[in-house]
Amino acid sequence: EPEVTQTPSHQVTQMGQEVILRCVPISNHLYFYWYRQILGQKVEFLVSFYNNEISEKSEIFDDQFSVERPDGSNFTLKIRSTKLEDSAMYFCASSGILETAGYEDEQFFGPGTRLTVL
Amino acid sequence: GQQVMQIPQYQHVQEGEDFTTYCNSSTTLSNIQWYKQRPGGHPVFLIQLVKSGEVKKQKRLTFQFGEAKKNSSLHITATQTTDVGTYFCANQAGTALIFGKGTTLSVSS
Repeated sequence: EPEVTQTPSHQVTQMGQEVILRCVPISNHLYFYWYRQILGQKVEFLVSFYNNEISEKSEIFDDQFSVERPDGSNFTLKIRSTKLEDSAMYFCASSGILETAGYEDEQFFGPGTRLTVL
Repeated sequence: GQQVMQIPQYQHVQEGEDFTTYCNSSTTLSNIQWYKQRPGGHPVFLIQLVKSGEVKKQKRLTFQFGEAKKNSSLHITATQTTDVGTYFCANQAGTALIFGKGTTLSVSS
């Protein structure tokens, strides 16, 4: 069964450093997402991406965050200058094989990258 | 996006007992999705409800969407230890999923 993959599984970084989290969405999906989950809390939407551009972003997704689809398979989340409060599990998700309203389909989540900022 | 409130936050049951988690919104929801997250795992889609009053069943799980499309529930009959985890409801707001805080279920045998 197709699945979303994410690397690395755990990333430790120093405050102020840049990190790039990588995701490979399911191959025929058109919509891609990043979510984060601070330990013990709910899953929070960060950004959605479709047709090589951001569809929506939340208040959390400020200028320190960016997303990119550098090739036909990878989807990345970059945090330019990490802060302590960025420590969380980051989930990538993908959905939708249809151009129209494919975002309304179920979202398939990857296993996550645990980011620890020291 | 539209906020969804979920109760209870935690629920402990004996194996074989039933379990229900509730999701409420002050505004009408376009749809409700339910996800399960096992400890240390990632959210896994369970179901989507779209229609007013909709009821869907998956084996021991029953999902309901309220007539006014402002609330939803997930009921598990005769819980098993494999049911442990956190159950989230989520509302589709544009392309974003807005998750509730979840109900964490623990089951003792």
